[in-house]
Amino acid sequence: EVQLVESGGGLVQPGGSLRLSCAASGFTFSGYWISWVRQAPGKGLEWVANIDGNGVEKNVVHTMNGRFTISRDNARNSVYLQMNSLRAEDTAVYYCTRDAIWGRFDYWGQGTLVTVSS
Amino acid sequence: EIVLTQSPGTLSLSPGERIILSCRASQSVTSDYLVWYQQKPGQAPRLLIYGASTRATGIPDRFSGSGSGTDFTLTISRLEPEDFAVYYCQSKYTFGQGTKLEIK
Repeated sequence: EVQLVESGGGLVQPGGSLRLSCAASGFTFSGYWISWVRQAPGKGLEWVANIDGNGVEKNVVHTMNGRFTISRDNARNSVYLQMNSLRAEDTAVYYCTRDAIWGRFDYWGQGTLVTVSS
Repeated sequence: EIVLTQSPGTLSLSPGERIILSCRASQSVTSDYLVWYQQKPGQAPRLLIYGASTRATGIPDRFSGSGSGTDFTLTISRLEPEDFAVYYCQSKYTFGQGTKLEIK
């Protein structure tokens, strides 16, 4: 059974940093791109970043580029999202998703809530 | 940058009704990459349709997708109580804003 489990969310002050983790199981982890998708309270879905199976090719949405970094450790079947210089508008549930092909997110984690507030 | 516009924003319907949701792209998109998701309150989205018309594993056949170019639709042939949710279309890494189905 495919599972994606996010962790690392919480309350952080504006300007602070947070590192989200996504632990995967039930599939050949290195064979898939993984994406992070976020959803602000009461709002729609927004793609944040993705990384290829080897951890070589990475993409971050341009509005977050320079603040957010994605990485992975295939030995640990995990993907990470390092978020720096956090702003109130980054408050959202962050989902880890398996990217089957070009944004077809066929499996999702349960999400982890990030709240940026003083 | 492609913009996906979903309509209507909210629909109030009764179980048993047939509904067609619209997703319009600001420029032509490849059908292979047109996807629909369903999201219920407090849950992660669930993949419904990919490639514009292929149902994902386990999705009932009352859900169907169609379209090409800039106009795509998701049809639910007969609404069940569990279908009242928010539906999102997506092309590659761009999402529509969603359509919410409410029980009348």
